[in-house]
Amino acid sequence: DAGVIQSPRHEVTEMGQEVTLRCKPISGHDYLFWYRQTMMRGLELLIYFNNNVPIDDSGMPEDRFSAKMPNASFSTLKIQPSEPRDSAVYFCASSPSGGAGETQYFGPGTRLLVL
Amino acid sequence: DQQVKQNSPSLSVQEGRISILNCDYTNSMFDYFLWYKKYPAEGPTFLISISSIKDKNEDGRFTVFLNKSAKHLSLHIVPSQPGDSAVYFCAARGLSGSARQLTFGSGTQLTVLP
Repeated sequence: DAGVIQSPRHEVTEMGQEVTLRCKPISGHDYLFWYRQTMMRGLELLIYFNNNVPIDDSGMPEDRFSAKMPNASFSTLKIQPSEPRDSAVYFCASSPSGGAGETQYFGPGTRLLVL
Repeated sequence: DQQVKQNSPSLSVQEGRISILNCDYTNSMFDYFLWYKKYPAEGPTFLISISSIKDKNEDGRFTVFLNKSAKHLSLHIVPSQPGDSAVYFCAARGLSGSARQLTFGSGTQLTVLP
């Protein structure tokens, strides 16, 4: 059974360019999360969706960041324009609904380097 | 302000000995706690969890202890194995409507020496 799929695995771009990260959650999971991992701040939640609807985007750093979930099997995180301080590993995770203890299943991450 | 803190960025332990990873939190509304393990170039994977109504949960070599009065939890690994070498994240979930969001600590790099 495929887990959470993210693409690309690595991205190197120049400052000012647009970057699009992609995620395919586990089939049947109702929740999708985008995280960013940096040395200084660890794992930070950026935004999460429930049934394709954004629920909380308070973690999105600024207007340069946007996320969409056009259907249950696909989500994108876009940075436009990108800046060197956006360099980090971006994780997508999904979880099923129901219950009090369901865990989140993470993808392998996209390592972004903005020069 | 970090609501979940892992004050030790790294820990080294000899193979066969006990590893103890610590985590402190500040929000008394957190109701569920989880530990995740992360290998290089991979995403975090769920390891073990504990509800706030319990003080201990055990799964094989892994035991999580929760001290609510101290707002502290710890993960014990006994015996430690070289394959346990990874970054361990503590995470907490709070009661907030239908929220499923987790607040993560900054992680502790565990190195188990053979």
